Amino acid sequence: KQEVTQIPAALSVPEGENLVLNCSFTDSAIYNLQWFRQDPGKGLTSLLLIQSSQREQTSGRLNASLDKSSGRSTLYIAASQPGDSATYLCAVLPIDNAGGTSYGKLTFGQGTILTVHP
Amino acid sequence: DAGITQSPRHKVTETGTPVTLRCHQTENHRYMYWYRQDPGHGLRLIHYSYGVKDTDKGEVSDGYSVSRSKTEDFLLTLESATSSQTSVYFCAISATNLQPQHFGDGTRLSIL
Repeated sequence: KQEVTQIPAALSVPEGENLVLNCSFTDSAIYNLQWFRQDPGKGLTSLLLIQSSQREQTSGRLNASLDKSSGRSTLYIAASQPGDSATYLCAVLPIDNAGGTSYGKLTFGQGTILTVHP
Repeated sequence: DAGITQSPRHKVTETGTPVTLRCHQTENHRYMYWYRQDPGHGLRLIHYSYGVKDTDKGEVSDGYSVSRSKTEDFLLTLESATSSQTSVYFCAISATNLQPQHFGDGTRLSIL
């Protein structure tokens, strides 16, 4: 069974710092990996999606990398701002026993709570 | 933002009563999902749909049923609510099984 772990569970940094969030998964048979952001009382917002054949994706100050063979992904946030404070979740889309995607069923990590203080 | 509306946004009810949560989308996406989010468990899939009248169970489906009679609506029903079903419920949609999922703002359900 696929398991996804995010470390650290919480992180507090001063504004302007570059930071890295980690995600690890136990089974490398995945189609893609997604990073989401969740603000308090809100749903998840998709940030980046990396296909299994890709090594990284970038969007603005965010860069996500994927090392499928070692079961690891990192989310790099450059020049952090107080508005980046949120919970960040990663999720993998496993390849099922039939070689399909199990109808897009994601397996989520429990998230990293990020606080960026002024 | 993707056009997803969950209703109600908050609900308090008593054990043993039936509860129906609604997810409405305006994106004409084929795939729809119901998750629950609990401290210490993260997000867990309850049921999902891959088309009108095509639904299946997720990881934590016991005590829940779903229906999808139209592309835009996906209903989650708790036939006889229990206190263990107190949670925040999220609906998500995606155009295909490989595309990013877009989430609604959730329904906070308390069962007393």
